[in-house]
Amino acid sequence: DVVMTQTPVSLPVSLGGQASISCRSSQSLVHSNGNTYLHWYLQKPGQSPQLLIYRVSNRFSGVPDRFSGSGSGTDFTLKISRVEPEDLGDYYCLQSTHFPPLTFGSGTKLEIK
Amino acid sequence: EIQLQESGPGLVKPSQSLSLTCSVTGYTITSGYDWSWIRKFPGNKMEWMGYISYSGSTNYNPSLKSRISITRDTSKNQFFLQLNSVTTEDTATYYCARGVRNPYYWGQGVMVTVSS
Repeated sequence: DVVMTQTPVSLPVSLGGQASISCRSSQSLVHSNGNTYLHWYLQKPGQSPQLLIYRVSNRFSGVPDRFSGSGSGTDFTLKISRVEPEDLGDYYCLQSTHFPPLTFGSGTKLEIK
Repeated sequence: EIQLQESGPGLVKPSQSLSLTCSVTGYTITSGYDWSWIRKFPGNKMEWMGYISYSGSTNYNPSLKSRISITRDTSKNQFFLQLNSVTTEDTATYYCARGVRNPYYWGQGVMVTVSS
């Protein structure tokens, strides 16, 4: 299985500030078709996970441009600029290049300082 | 608008089977896409469990392969999860979702506790 190492576990950030979350995979996530299936989700308190970024850097419908994804190969980053209270929650990376099984990162809890 | 809703018992005894239903409205499960089950453990770890395709084929997480079965009832537009021989380590919130590579429609989740 591909192991997704996600850091940090907890991320205190000031409102209006910037947050950065890292996800590293145990093997390259470049698929034989050339796509890289690395995605980012946010689970807000009491809600189900919602897709933020798909295939490394594509914002899903309705996701503010404060969220951006980058990276390649085995190293990926989610950045959140101008953090707002609605951004609180648990962030997960997900790889679906090599499956079964799909594998998630261990999660990052974004907290307001 | 598509909606998914999980249902099933919130408490299951160890060694018994866990059975959950995902009811889908706003989209016919045989029209396309794959339909997944994903769970989130206490402590926040997420695990993909498996899926059933729009054509009825299935694909499971190898770690669960001997215990899991995903089926469907197309007349009711529902798909199901059965997990056999559960232990306390199967205590989790269970989600159904549309899609596999990057599911973006999820149910609200159902919490299942395995305890005697």
